Amino acid sequence: SAVISQKPSRDICQRGTSLTIQCQVDSQVTMMFWYRQQPGQSLTLIATANQGSEATYESGFVIDKFPISRPNLTFSTLTVSNMSPEDSSIYLCSVGDQPQHFGDGTRLSIL
Amino acid sequence: GQQLNQSPQSMFIQEGEDVSMNCTSSSIFNTWLWYKQDPGEGPVLLIALYKAGELTSNGRLTAQFGITRKDSFLNISASIPSDVGIYFCAGRRPGGSEKLVFGKGTKLTVNP
Repeated sequence: SAVISQKPSRDICQRGTSLTIQCQVDSQVTMMFWYRQQPGQSLTLIATANQGSEATYESGFVIDKFPISRPNLTFSTLTVSNMSPEDSSIYLCSVGDQPQHFGDGTRLSIL
Repeated sequence: GQQLNQSPQSMFIQEGEDVSMNCTSSSIFNTWLWYKQDPGEGPVLLIALYKAGELTSNGRLTAQFGITRKDSFLNISASIPSDVGIYFCAGRRPGGSEKLVFGKGTKLTVNP
C-alpha cells in the first residue's frame, strides 16, 4: 500500500490563527480524503480532495473553514482556519480507491 | 452523518481469550472494512470485505461480510497484549462513491 506522510504530526496553536496540514503520498492516487477525529470519537469525513478542481465537502463542513488544495495526484493540503478550541482534533488524510489507507494524522490543540 | 452501530463499545479480556465485535446498519453496504488504531497513530487496515457472505482471515483475525449486506463481524482468537487498541468498522455504500462511513469503535483492553 502507499506510504502516506502527514505534516506536522502535532501542533499547538492560538485561537484565531490558521494551520495548514500537508499530506504527501509516495505514489499517484486518484482518491484523497480528509477526516476529523475529535477526542475519543470516531472518524468523520470532512471532504474529498479532487485533483484539479474544488473539494467536495460533507454536510457540516465548509470551504471557508477548511480550504483544501489538491495540486497533483500525490499531494493535498487541508487548512483549519480561524481556529477555536472546538477545532482541537486529530486530522487525518486517507488515500486509495479500495480500500482506503490512512496517514498517522495531525494532532491539533488550540489554546 | 450516518454512522454504523458498532458493539461492544469496550471490552476487557484476559490474554488468550477470543474476542468478537460487530457492526450493523439499517442500509446495505457493498464494502466492509475493519481498522485498528493505536494511540498516536492513524487507523491501520486489518481486513477488507467486498462480497456478501465473504469470510476472510488475517492471522488470528477473521471477519465476515453479512449475507444481508447490513452487518459485519470481526473475531480475534487467542488475544495477546499487542491486540490492545481501538477497532473501527467502516462501510462503503452502493452507488459508486468511495466515501466511508465509520462505526464508533470498540476499545479493547487485554490483561496479561
